[in-house]
Amino acid sequence: EIVLTQSPGTLSLSPGERATLSCRASQGVSSSYLAWYQQKPGQAPRLLIYGASSRATGIPDRFRGSGSGTDFTLTISRLEPEDFAVYYCQQYGNSPASIFGGGTKVEIK
Amino acid sequence: QVQLVESGGGVVQPGRSLRLSCAASGFTFNNYGMHWVRQAPGKGLEWVAVISYDGNLKYYGDSVTGRVTISRDNSKNTLYLRMNSLRTEDTAVYYCAREDSKVFAGVAMYYFDFWGQGTLVTVSS
Repeated sequence: EIVLTQSPGTLSLSPGERATLSCRASQGVSSSYLAWYQQKPGQAPRLLIYGASSRATGIPDRFRGSGSGTDFTLTISRLEPEDFAVYYCQQYGNSPASIFGGGTKVEIK
Repeated sequence: QVQLVESGGGVVQPGRSLRLSCAASGFTFNNYGMHWVRQAPGKGLEWVAVISYDGNLKYYGDSVTGRVTISRDNSKNTLYLRMNSLRTEDTAVYYCAREDSKVFAGVAMYYFDFWGQGTLVTVSS
C-alpha cells in the first residue's frame, strides 16, 4: 500500500513569503492521481490541485503543483492571509481506495 | 450550485450502530461516484468508503471493513453510511465528497471536487 509522507509538519511563514510543501510517496504514483486540498479550521477540505499540476476552478495562480514519480510539491508563491491553513496531498485513481498524506500546517510566523 | 449536506451524527455508545446521510443537490447525482472521508479530532483525513455512480461497486478502508456499509438511493439523491459495532476510535467528523475526473491526453485524473460540511460522530460511554 502506498504511503504519502508530507513535510514539514508545520511551516511558519509571514504573509508575502513563499511556501513550499512536499508530498513523498512510498512508491511511484502517476501524476494523474495526485491532488492537493486546503482545509481551514472548522471547514471541509477544498480542492486546490488535481493531476499534480492543474488548478481547480477558482484557485488563484499563486498556487502551483509540480512533481512526478515519488516527489510532489505544492508551492504558494506569495502567502496571503487566507492561505494559512492545513494542506493535504491525496493519491486516488489506480485503485478504489484513496490515500491522504498526514498534512502540512502553514501558520503565521 | 452543488451542495452536499450530511446528517445523522451524534453521541453513541460503543458497540451501537448509526446511519449517516448525505443529501445531494445541484448536480445529477446518479452520474457520480461518492465517498465518505473522516477526520478524528485534531487529526488528518482518512478515507472510509466509495460507491460507484450506480451503487454496484463498493470499497472500504481497512479500519472499517466489515463494520460499515455504504449505499445510495439515486431516486432520493442521497448517500448513506451505515456504521455498526462502533468503537471509540470511530469518533470523527464524517464528510461526504463527490468524485469527479477530467481526461487529458487520454489519461484520466481523479479528485474529490465537492465536500459536505461534515457531521460529528462521537462514540463514548
